[in-house]
Amino acid sequence: DAMVIQNPRYQVTQFGKPVTLSCSQTLNHNVMYWYQQKSSQAPKLLFHYYDKDFNNEADTPDNFQSRRPNTSFCFLDIRSPGLGDAAMYLCATSTGRPLYYNNEQFFGPGTRLTVL
Amino acid sequence: KNEVEQSPQNLTAQEGEFITINCSYSVGISALHWLQQHPGGGIVSLFMLSSGKKKHGRLIATINIQEKHSSLHITASHPRDSAVYICAVVVPYSGGGADGLTFGKGTHLIIQP
Repeated sequence: DAMVIQNPRYQVTQFGKPVTLSCSQTLNHNVMYWYQQKSSQAPKLLFHYYDKDFNNEADTPDNFQSRRPNTSFCFLDIRSPGLGDAAMYLCATSTGRPLYYNNEQFFGPGTRLTVL
Repeated sequence: KNEVEQSPQNLTAQEGEFITINCSYSVGISALHWLQQHPGGGIVSLFMLSSGKKKHGRLIATINIQEKHSSLHITASHPRDSAVYICAVVVPYSGGGADGLTFGKGTHLIIQP
């Protein structure tokens, strides 16, 4: 059974047209992460939610926003996509237990975003 | 800033060979992940380590916290093992909450029949 689900798997948008990517989880985990992975590069953390607390990475552009209406769902909003935002967007979850405890992350299949 | 270095970046081997992929990092961590990513696919977690050694089937992962180094080994490699293998470390979040991952660039492994 799928535990971390991302929709859609492939998204095409136009330059400057807002787009929303969706992630849902059946694990009841406290933490949900969004990563960006550009071609041939390592994934990069954009932000995460610890329950309802939003934690933004310092170098995440303002163009990227996120919403978490409940435990199960988290959305990534790109307000004005540029060509450089074309990438694979990965959602992950974890229990978020304190440091030095088991904090395994479970990844979704990713959404590949194309910007025309 | 924590850097995660993997070697080799690319590796092509024959079916049956013993494979080793290395990962080193620059600062203290709470845990290290080995992840597998197939072309166009999502990421699958293989191991999470904080010390010692773990084994799942033909995969073995080791970590030396003092030396800030980890290795992933594949015994009796098979073409279906062809994928990108990524090392990622758990970086304590400054806010005291959840731990984000810092990723290496990955090792592209091709196993030829």
